[in-house]
Amino acid sequence: DAGVIQSPRHEVTEMGQEVTLRCKPISGHNSLFWYRQTMMRGLELLIYFNNNVPIDDSGMPEDRFSAKMPNASFSTLKIQPSEPRDSAVYFCASSSEPNTEAFFGQGTRLTVV
Amino acid sequence: GENVEQHPSTLSVQEGDSAVIKCTYSDSASNYFPWYKQELGKGPQLIIDIRSNVGEKKDQRIAVTLNKTAKHFSLHITETQPEDSAVYFCAARNDYKLSFGAGTTVTVRA
Repeated sequence: DAGVIQSPRHEVTEMGQEVTLRCKPISGHNSLFWYRQTMMRGLELLIYFNNNVPIDDSGMPEDRFSAKMPNASFSTLKIQPSEPRDSAVYFCASSSEPNTEAFFGQGTRLTVV
Repeated sequence: GENVEQHPSTLSVQEGDSAVIKCTYSDSASNYFPWYKQELGKGPQLIIDIRSNVGEKKDQRIAVTLNKTAKHFSLHITETQPEDSAVYFCAARNDYKLSFGAGTTVTVRA
């Protein structure tokens, strides 16, 4: 298996623009997590899906952030409008069950200027 | 919620020496404690984990210990090699939620 695949690897956008990050979990995994990593706050859980259903979105910072999982093999994290303080590395992770090993993607480095 | 503290934040060791990273957690309901290694430009990769019904686990040069009573757990790397240089994160999980420590940057000097 190719592992968790995220795209793009790097994104530079201007403040106010819409940004969409994409994730393909490992085939057969039914749990998907979006994390954000910054120097100040470390790794934070943004949202957790189980069987394509959002279970916990308490980590989503603001209404500007939204996430979807239309099917078992694809998820998106959207920021609209983006702000400079959204600059971070965003990771997607998946696991076969919620309480089993989580495998992380390579991340998307987002820079909002 | 869970609060995980990790020390030290940086660690420099001579090649061949041991490295020890310590973490504490606050939520007694946490029952799974993984350790991740993150290399530059990559995502965190699980290197070893321990569950709350086990006190110690070893895998070649790495070992983890867990003290549930004190809510402490530690990572031990023996015979360090240059390729062990990376950022290491401890984490504690309750149900599905992983809470991470702030990370330790380990540098192995040749």
